Amino acid sequence: EIVLTQSPGTLSLSPGERATLSCRASQTVNNDYLAWYQQKPGQAPRLLMYRPSSRATGIPDRFSGSGSGTNFTLTISRLEPEDSAVYSCQQYGSSLFTFGQGTRLEIK
Amino acid sequence: QVQLQESGPGLVKPSETLSLICNVSGGPILSYYWSWIRQPPGKGLEWIGYIYYTGSTSYTPSLKSRVTISADTSKNQFSLKLSSVTAADTAVYYCARSRYGSGMDVWGQGTTVTVSS
Repeated sequence: EIVLTQSPGTLSLSPGERATLSCRASQTVNNDYLAWYQQKPGQAPRLLMYRPSSRATGIPDRFSGSGSGTNFTLTISRLEPEDSAVYSCQQYGSSLFTFGQGTRLEIK
Repeated sequence: QVQLQESGPGLVKPSETLSLICNVSGGPILSYYWSWIRQPPGKGLEWIGYIYYTGSTSYTPSLKSRVTISADTSKNQFSLKLSSVTAADTAVYYCARSRYGSGMDVWGQGTTVTVSS
């Protein structure tokens, strides 16, 4: 199965700054089928991006995804306090889906 | 608008079988992948497995010997059975929908399952 490693583990930034989150796969993700999710405490994850630069319904354009093969990035520009959450990547390019361990984003 | 709702016992004894149901409302089960995902306390998300509307299934290797996911299209629901549970299976269990080529766009609210005697 494909192992996804996210970095950094925790990111602490101020409102208005840009966040760059990384997701590295242990092998090539077929068709670049990689998604990003946002999860706030006590809530279910919410789909942000897939494929990996397509925005899910209702997601603001401050969120963008990029990458291919084994290296993927989620960028959040103009951070807002509400962006404080855990962000997880997930690959669905094989029949065995896997998630990364998550990056915690704190807004100072 | 499609909604998912997990249901099942919140407490399961060690060595017994955990059984959960995900009820799908607002749309049919057809043409989607239906996954179970869990999240142990304070940890990340773990994909357990999925069932495709055709009935084909896929399970994560670490749980494959203990997991069964099935669907009942007449009731518009799918289920999870995890046998021989231990404390390590204590988690919030989510059900979710995905389409081929896309991520999991609809999630249930999650249900907490504790394994304890």
